[in-house]
Amino acid sequence: KAGVTQTPRYLIKTRGQQVTLSCSPISGHRSVSWYQQTPGQGLQFLFEYFSETQRNKGNFPGRFSGRQFSNSRSEMNVSTLELGDSALYLCASSLYSGSHNEQFFGPGTRLTVL
Amino acid sequence: GNSVTQMEGPVTLSEEAFLTINCTYTATGYPSLFWYVQYPGEGLQLLLKATKADDKGSNKGFEATYRKETTSFHLEKGSVQVSDSAVYFCALRPLSGAGSYQLTFGKGTKLSVIP
Repeated sequence: KAGVTQTPRYLIKTRGQQVTLSCSPISGHRSVSWYQQTPGQGLQFLFEYFSETQRNKGNFPGRFSGRQFSNSRSEMNVSTLELGDSALYLCASSLYSGSHNEQFFGPGTRLTVL
Repeated sequence: GNSVTQMEGPVTLSEEAFLTINCTYTATGYPSLFWYVQYPGEGLQLLLKATKADDKGSNKGFEATYRKETTSFHLEKGSVQVSDSAVYFCALRPLSGAGSYQLTFGKGTKLSVIP
């Protein structure tokens, strides 16, 4: 069974640009969560999608957005990039939403903002 | 709110040494507790978990016991190998209420095992 896949694995952008990251969950999983990992702040929750609906959102500005498609694949978008957005963005999928559902993580997309 | 505190690294051990990485938490109610491991260039892998007090999670020689009285979930391994070199994250997830939709992570502890 294929794991969570994220594309691209590496990305370099400049300030002010926007970026879209993609996540394909494990087959059959309907919930996708996104986390940002930085050396200073550690791992922080961005948002969760379930059945194409955003269920929860972390404490990030509106420049960070996402969506989920009918096949459960998810994208996240960051507009007007800032240097501080440089991070590893991790996607995690689970069968359903809710605390009893184990989250499986992808390898992440490393975003560098110059 | 919910929070996880784990010992600062890096931790450097010789092969076959005993490992302890301390983790304490603050949460309302009784959360599920997790240890994740991140190898260089990879995402997070679930190492072990415990869902209620006194539960012991174990995997690949690693163990951690859910201690409600001390709000702790310390990770231990009796004999580490070079292949255990990685960053270890302690995390919690409440069963319900605020924060139950997300994992709350500690800052991570980098372990280096030397031959």
